[in-house]
Amino acid sequence: AQSVTQLGSHVSVSEGALVLLRCNYSSSVPPYLFWYVQYPNQGLQLLLKYTSAATLVKGINGFEAEFKKSETSFHLTKPSAHMSDAAEYFCAVSKDSSYKLIFGSGTRLLVRP
Amino acid sequence: DVKVTQSSRYLVKRTGEKVFLECVQDMDHENMFWYRQDPGLGLRLIYFSYDVKMKEKGDIPEGYSVSREKKERFSLILESASTNQTSMYLCASSRNEQFFGPGTRLTVL
Repeated sequence: AQSVTQLGSHVSVSEGALVLLRCNYSSSVPPYLFWYVQYPNQGLQLLLKYTSAATLVKGINGFEAEFKKSETSFHLTKPSAHMSDAAEYFCAVSKDSSYKLIFGSGTRLLVRP
Repeated sequence: DVKVTQSSRYLVKRTGEKVFLECVQDMDHENMFWYRQDPGLGLRLIYFSYDVKMKEKGDIPEGYSVSREKKERFSLILESASTNQTSMYLCASSRNEQFFGPGTRLTVL
């Protein structure tokens, strides 16, 4: 069975600081991994996805994530936080890119001025 | 751009009512999904569909049913709404990645 764990329901950073949102997964098959962002009162928007090509995946808005099989991790990073990054972030795993997604519980990112 | 629309952004219903949530996508996607989102639980899959008239249960199907009579439309039905079904409901469609609608916040009184 597949599952996703996101460490930290809330993460607070200062504007300009590094953003690190943690995601660990379990999967019995090579996984497809995703990060989604949800702004207030909106649906989810895909930030980036890993589909077994490059282990370092670049996404939109300056975010990137690195797939580490040995650590079963897919942490999301951004070198410098912007106020507009304040949102909820969800990590998800699937057995292929169009199959049903298993989501983590989400991490709310707060950006302090 | 792919567009997934949901019939209502906010809905208030009473316990025992039959509730229909509608989702329409405009990109000819085969796959469609219904999730509910609750604080601290992330998104959980209720039902999904790979083709017209085809449906499969997700992780939490109890109390829900679905209908897919046309490729572009996927409806979620609460046969008899209960207060524990108060939640945010999100629809998605996919071919190579899932695109989400804006969500319907349902309150059952």
